[in-house]
Amino acid sequence: EIVMTQSPATLSVSPGDRVTLSCRASQSLTSNLAWYQQKPGQAPRLLIFGVSTRATGIPARFSGSGSGTEFTLTISGLQSEDFAVYYCQQYHNWPPGWTFGQGTKVEIK
Amino acid sequence: QVQLVQSGAEVKKPGASVKVSCKASGYTFTSYDINWVRQATGQGLEWMGWMNPNSGNTGYAQKFQGRVTMTRNTSITTAYMELINLRSEDTAVYYCARGGIGELWDWGQGTLVAVSS
Repeated sequence: EIVMTQSPATLSVSPGDRVTLSCRASQSLTSNLAWYQQKPGQAPRLLIFGVSTRATGIPARFSGSGSGTEFTLTISGLQSEDFAVYYCQQYHNWPPGWTFGQGTKVEIK
Repeated sequence: QVQLVQSGAEVKKPGASVKVSCKASGYTFTSYDINWVRQATGQGLEWMGWMNPNSGNTGYAQKFQGRVTMTRNTSITTAYMELINLRSEDTAVYYCARGGIGELWDWGQGTLVAVSS
């Protein structure tokens, strides 16, 4: 099973900041990496798939990058509605299947 | 628009089983996999498996093999996830999600399954 490790666990930031979240895979993923945003009491929302492609309706301030085992989600100019938990997910190979990172919480400083 | 509407919350005793439904609308049901993901309170996301609504083919995470069954009824565009032999550790919110290659495009609202004696 591919293990996904996100860092940091929590990020305390201010509105307007540029935020960088990291996700590391235990083996190379090629381009099969997605990012999700989850707010309290809500289902996750797909932000980025294929490492860097924004999902429909996702603002341009969200961007994804990386390759191999190291991936990054960047939020340029954090807005109040962006305070949430962010998860990366790999969908590289079946079997054994997909796995998520443990999440990074972006909170208000 | 795409909608996935799940069945309501369930309370079960240890050893029982639960079957959660996921009614899909707004797209061609048989064209996209349905995945199931669960989340214990305050914890992260855990992928359980996928089902191809066209063929009925399934793939389950090893952790759940032998305990989970994913099925569908194409006539009513509904997917189902049944989990048997429930234990307290299965207490979680269960989500269905429409899948692409592996990314999860649209999610249901979640169904709380509580397991308690």
